[in-house]
Amino acid sequence: EPEVTQTPSHQVTQMGQEVILRCVPISNHLYFYWYRQILGQKVEFLVSFYNNEISEKSEIFDDQFSVERPDGSNFTLKIRSTKLEDSAMYFCASTPGGARTVSGNTIYFGEGSWLTVV
Amino acid sequence: KQEVTQIPAALSVPEGENLVLNCSFTDSAIYNLQWFRQDPGKGLTSLLLIQSSQREQTSGRLNASLDKSSGRSTLYIAASQPGDSATYLCAVQLGDDNNDMRFGAGTRLTVKP
Repeated sequence: EPEVTQTPSHQVTQMGQEVILRCVPISNHLYFYWYRQILGQKVEFLVSFYNNEISEKSEIFDDQFSVERPDGSNFTLKIRSTKLEDSAMYFCASTPGGARTVSGNTIYFGEGSWLTVV
Repeated sequence: KQEVTQIPAALSVPEGENLVLNCSFTDSAIYNLQWFRQDPGKGLTSLLLIQSSQREQTSGRLNASLDKSSGRSTLYIAASQPGDSATYLCAVQLGDDNNDMRFGAGTRLTVKP
């Protein structure tokens, strides 16, 4: 079954350093997302991406964050200058889109990238 | 502001029991509601999606219902098995053109052999 893949699975970084988390969404999907889950807390929406641009972003997604689709398969999340509070599991996800149907809206998550900022 | 609450936070049952997990949301103007399963340290797997115009969805031993007007959804698991042990999350999508999904904190289910 097609799946969303994420790398790295775990990264430790110094405060203030830049981090890039990588994702390969399911190949025929149109919508891409980043979510995060701080340990012990709820899953939180960060940003959605469609047609090569951000379609929605939360208040968490400030100027320190950026997303990019550098080629036809990868989708990246960059944190410019990491803070301790950025430590979390970051999930990439994708949806087929294109129809107001169950199959069009079912969201597929990757296994996550666990980011630890020290 | 949409808030999603799940009760109970944790549940432990013997194998074979039928069980119900609850999800409530404060704003009934939702586009859809999804139930997810999350195993420890893993990603989320979508179990069932209910469009706002639907009242329930079924997949195998799972049945999810939606009462949008009262802001409630339930996930019914029949004949529970140890392999069902996981955290179950519900999430509401806020709108057709709004991809923000609001998650509950989850119910941690343990099914004992």
